[in-house]
Parts: sequence; structure tokens; C-alpha cells
Amino acid sequence: GENVEQHPSTLSVQEGDSAVIKCTYSDSASNYFPWYKQELGKRPQLIIDIRSNVGEKKDQRIAVTLNKTAKHFSLHITETQPEDSAVYFCAASGEYGNKLVFGAGTILRVKS
Amino acid sequence: DSGVTQTPKHLITATGQRVTLRCSPRSGDLSVYWYQQSLDQGLQFLIQYYNGEERAKGNILERFSAQQFPDLHSELNLSSLELGDSALYFCASSVWDNNEQFFGPGTRLTVL
Repeated sequence: GENVEQHPSTLSVQEGDSAVIKCTYSDSASNYFPWYKQELGKRPQLIIDIRSNVGEKKDQRIAVTLNKTAKHFSLHITETQPEDSAVYFCAASGEYGNKLVFGAGTILRVKS
Repeated sequence: DSGVTQTPKHLITATGQRVTLRCSPRSGDLSVYWYQQSLDQGLQFLIQYYNGEERAKGNILERFSAQQFPDLHSELNLSSLELGDSALYFCASSVWDNNEQFFGPGTRLTVL
């Protein structure tokens, strides 16, 4: 089945710097890749997603890139702010409307 | 607020007992997903229902079962509870099969 690996497990950046989180997936049939942000004790919140027919997608300070050949995708956060501090999860889905397989998560700390 | 509701917020029970977790999807969403989040296993997909029928199954134990009712709310039943079942249980919903899943606030289950 699908396996998603996520790196790094923790990331500390200075406020205003950029943060990059990387994920690799194993199933070449995967075609949907969302990113979730989870604050302590709260629900995972969808922040951006990308489908396999697109290489890059941006939404203000957040961008996601996808390399289907290498089977990896990345989350880029620019001009980080203290409120960006949270756990970020990548996920992959191989079938339309089907289960999400999550990475292990990255704890992002933005120091002010 | 994602529009997905879950009850109860917290549940404390003893080993061997049975509990029922409830989820109401966003208005108009036909698909409901259940996930378990624990410290050692991360976010794991359990089961998906679409318009009342089971659509996909993940790492769901035989002691666990779920259903989706005609009004589209869903219930997850956990029986013969063990200490290791202590976790956060999230429900997510999506508009039929388009993969964008929105999570509810979760139910924190503690088995003593």
C-alpha cells in the first residue's frame, strides 16, 4: 500500500525566514496531495492541496510543489510568522474519494 | 470551524467497555471518513462511508465498526476497549469523491 515519508520531523526558523517541508510517496498511482496544519489539541486544517496534473500551486505565503517523476512534494512557507507554529502533515491519496495516507508530521517552530 | 461536528468531545471509560462516537458531516457532504490519531501511530485512516455505504477500509480493528445513516451522520462503535485504544478520533467529510476532506474537532478517548 501507499507509504508517505515526511522530513524533517522538527524545524525551527526565525520569524520572517522561509520553511520547507518535504514528503515522498511510494504509490505512483497517487494523484492528490493535501497539506494539513494542526495546532495543539485542535483539528487538522486543510491549508493547501495539489493534484497530479499540476506542478505547483500558491496561496499567499504558502506554496506546494510536486515532482511526479521523483514521487515527492514539498510545502514552502515564506515570511514565516509566530502563528505559523504548529504541526504540519502531508498526505497522499491514490484513489478518488479514498483514504488519505499521512506522513508522520513536522513540528514547525517560528521564533520571534 | 470546518462545519463538521463530533460528539462527545471527551470520553473516559474502562477496559472492556463499548463506546459510540458520533459525527455529522458538513451540509451537502456525502462522504464521511474516520481517522485515529495516536502518538505512536500518527494519523491513521480507519474507514470511509459514502452516501450510506462502506466505500473503503483501512487499519480498522475487528472490535471497531461504523455506519452512516440516511441523514448522513455517522457513528463509530468501539468495543472490548483496550488501553491502546486511547487516542483522538477524527471524523472528516467531503463532497462526494473529490478528496478535499475537512476534519471535525475530534473525540478524545481515554481508556483506563
